[in-house]
Amino acid sequence: KQEVTQIPAALSVPEGENLVLNCSFTDSAIYNLQWFRQDPGKGLTSLLLIQSSQREQTSGRLNASLDKSSGRSTLYIAASQPGDSATYLCAVSNYGQNFVFGPGTRLSVLP
Amino acid sequence: DAGITQSPRYKITETGRQVTLMCHQTWSHSYMFWYRQDLGHGLRLIYYSAAADITDKGEVPDGYVVSRSKTENFPLTLESATRSQTSVYFCASSRLERDEQFFGPGTRLTVL
Repeated sequence: KQEVTQIPAALSVPEGENLVLNCSFTDSAIYNLQWFRQDPGKGLTSLLLIQSSQREQTSGRLNASLDKSSGRSTLYIAASQPGDSATYLCAVSNYGQNFVFGPGTRLSVLP
Repeated sequence: DAGITQSPRYKITETGRQVTLMCHQTWSHSYMFWYRQDLGHGLRLIYYSAAADITDKGEVPDGYVVSRSKTENFPLTLESATRSQTSVYFCASSRLERDEQFFGPGTRLTVL
């Protein structure tokens, strides 16, 4: 059964800093990996989807990488802003299975 | 507006009552999902649907019933609500199986 972990559980950084969020999964035979952000009391907003054949995806200041062999994905946020403060979740799908979500990393970007 | 909507946004009910949470999407996505989000458990899949009249159980289906008579609607019913079903419920949709998922704003349900 796929298990997804995200470390750290919480992260606090000063504005302008570049940062990396981590997502680890136990079964490397994945189909897709998706990164979301969730603001307090809100739904999940899709950030990036990486297919198993891809190594990375970029959207604006966000870059997500995928290393299936090591069971890891990272979300890189450049030049962080207070508006980036949210909880970031990754979700992994395997062939024949639905997405399994990680517990999330709560990010605070301090002005 | 196009997208995925959920109603009601907040609901308080009593133990034993029947409750139906509604989900509507305007993208004509084939796949729809119901999740619950709880502290300490994260997001867990309750039920999903691949198309109209096709539904299947997820990780935590007990106590819930779903139907999908139209592609755009996917209601979730708690037949006899229990306190353990107090949670935030999210509906999501995707165009294809295991494709990018898009989430609704959620329904916060409290069972007293």
